[in-house]
Amino acid sequence: DAKTTQPNSMESNEEEPVHLPCNHSTISGTDYIHWYRQLPSQGPEYVIHGLTSNVNNRMASLAIAEDRKSSTLILHRATLRDAAVYYCILFPYGQNFVFGPGTRLSVLP
Amino acid sequence: DAGVIQSPRHEVTEMGQEVTLRCKPISGHNSLFWYRQTMMRGLELLIYFNNNVPIDDSGMPEDRFSAKMPNASFSTLKIQPSEPRDSAVYFCASSLDRPLGQYFGPGTRLTVT
Repeated sequence: DAKTTQPNSMESNEEEPVHLPCNHSTISGTDYIHWYRQLPSQGPEYVIHGLTSNVNNRMASLAIAEDRKSSTLILHRATLRDAAVYYCILFPYGQNFVFGPGTRLSVLP
Repeated sequence: DAGVIQSPRHEVTEMGQEVTLRCKPISGHNSLFWYRQTMMRGLELLIYFNNNVPIDDSGMPEDRFSAKMPNASFSTLKIQPSEPRDSAVYFCASSLDRPLGQYFGPGTRLTVT
């Protein structure tokens, strides 16, 4: 299974941008990069995904390195509601998701 | 949109009993996934359906677990007989197509005593 590496935890101040890193050095050309988050006592929530180009949606931005061996999820203005575990997942074509331990993001008021 | 609907939200049962978890995916989605989450093992994919056909059930822990998808709007995950180690939160998710984002239901918290 294609693997990702994320920091165990990060802290951010409210209303500041947050950059959540993810390393995936064994990524292959057909692997999609997915990000999900899980708020306390809730199911995982889809955030964003991309293949090669940077992506933006209403929740976040995804910056993908040129060699695709790393990516960064960007929350432009953190709110208390963004406190969650963030999962970076590679979705290999023909295979299925493997959720790692993710990054626990704390947002300080 | 109603999102992915799961029932029941909570289930408490005794060891040896049969448990059936239900899922209604988002209308129009052709991929459905069942996951299990525990503190020890995190989120694990159990089985994946595409167009109502089971594609990969390699994550199903053992023969006590079975899943069906009789039509595009309904799926079940059955555990028979249940054991205490099956206690977990079970999530159902659906996606429009396999490589696209998955949308998760609220989960069913199963407790087997």
